[in-house]
This record gives sequence, structure tokens and C-alpha cells, in this order.
Amino acid sequence: QLVLTQSPSASASLGASVKLTCTLSSGHSSYAIAWHQQQPEKGPRYLMKLNSDGSHSKGDGIPDRFSGSSSGAERYLTISSLQSEDEADYYCQTWGTGIQAFGGGTKLTVL
Amino acid sequence: QVQLQESGPGLVKPSETLSLTCTVSGGSISSYYWSWIRQPAGKGLEWIGRIYTSGSTNYNPSLKSRVTMSVDTSKNQFSLNLTSVTAADTAVYYCARHDYSNPLDYWGQGTLVTVSS
Repeated sequence: QLVLTQSPSASASLGASVKLTCTLSSGHSSYAIAWHQQQPEKGPRYLMKLNSDGSHSKGDGIPDRFSGSSSGAERYLTISSLQSEDEADYYCQTWGTGIQAFGGGTKLTVL
Repeated sequence: QVQLQESGPGLVKPSETLSLTCTVSGGSISSYYWSWIRQPAGKGLEWIGRIYTSGSTNYNPSLKSRVTMSVDTSKNQFSLNLTSVTAADTAVYYCARHDYSNPLDYWGQGTLVTVSS
């Protein structure tokens, strides 16, 4: 079964960096994922597609502060130079034959 | 810039059918997959299903018995019907686009549907 696991919460200080993790279920470590940002009271926004080799392609207008990397079944989203508007929920998403799946989301608090 | 806009009733009675439409502008609806996703208040995202512009569909197994999707390429629209709704179907409903073997890359702003008598 295609499952994505995320920590429920994370926090980091203004101007610092944070690394969020999304873990693919057993047998799916080669899958690409996507990261989406959902600011409070808004719809999700596509950030990037992240491949198993760590290569990634970002959506329109996504700042360089957002980057992705991979290791085994883990996919990471790193946000550097944190700004107040980065406080949001972050969801990873993947896809298989005829199915889409989301992680439970990580709520990022910027201190 | 592709834009998606959901529309439909904001209130549906229990046991009735929830019907929503997503209108695509700024690009053609052809040759893409179009998904519906929902989000109950304070909870995560749940994929409902998708339709290709040919009309072929895939649905979330947990909702499959109640979901039907359709597409109207002449109007650049696609639609969702969810039958026999209960309070558990109360959520913000989003439509989104993706290409084959690629992620959801454009999202609508979402529409709140409340199931209540």
C-alpha cells in the first residue's frame, strides 16, 4: 500500500533553516513525490516535484529558498532563510497506477 | 497561467447528491488528468478521484461506490457527483490538474460544502 508519513509538526526561528521529512512506505522507495504548501485559510500551492535521486523541479514563482533532496525512502523539503509567510502546512504527495496519495501534513511554526 | 475555479451548492442535505463543477481557464483541458481532493476542517487532504479528458476515471477505493466524474471539453469543465452524503462529507473540495506521471501542479481555491439538514 502506497503510504506517505510526515511528522505532525515542526518549528524553527525566523531567518533559520528547517528540513521537513516525508517517508515512503516499504517497496516504494523509488517513487517521486511532490511538496505542496498550504498557508492558513488558503488552498494548497504546488512547490516542487522531487525525484528519488534528489533532482527536483519547482513550480512557477517558487523562491530559491525552497529546495528538495532524497535519501532512500525519505524525501526532504528544506526551507532556508525562514520568513513569517513560510508558516504553513506542508504536504507531500505521490502517485501510482490510478491512484494519488497524500501524507498527513506537517505544520510548520516560524518562531 | 492556468486557473481552476470550483462551483456548486455550499449546502447539501444528508442522503442527497453533492455536485460540483471545476472550470479551467488560461489553458486547454485536453490531454491532462483532472482530480478532486477534499479537506475536512482541521484535517489533511484526501484524494477523491481523477478523470482524463478521454473520460477515463480512477477513484479512491474508499469512495468509489458513491463517486462519479465527468468532463465537458467544449466548456473546459469537469464535474464531481458524490451520492448519499453524510456529515462526514462536509469539507472544502478542491479541483487540481496533473500530467501523466507528474504531480498536481495547479489547484483551485476550494469550495466549502456543508452537509446538513
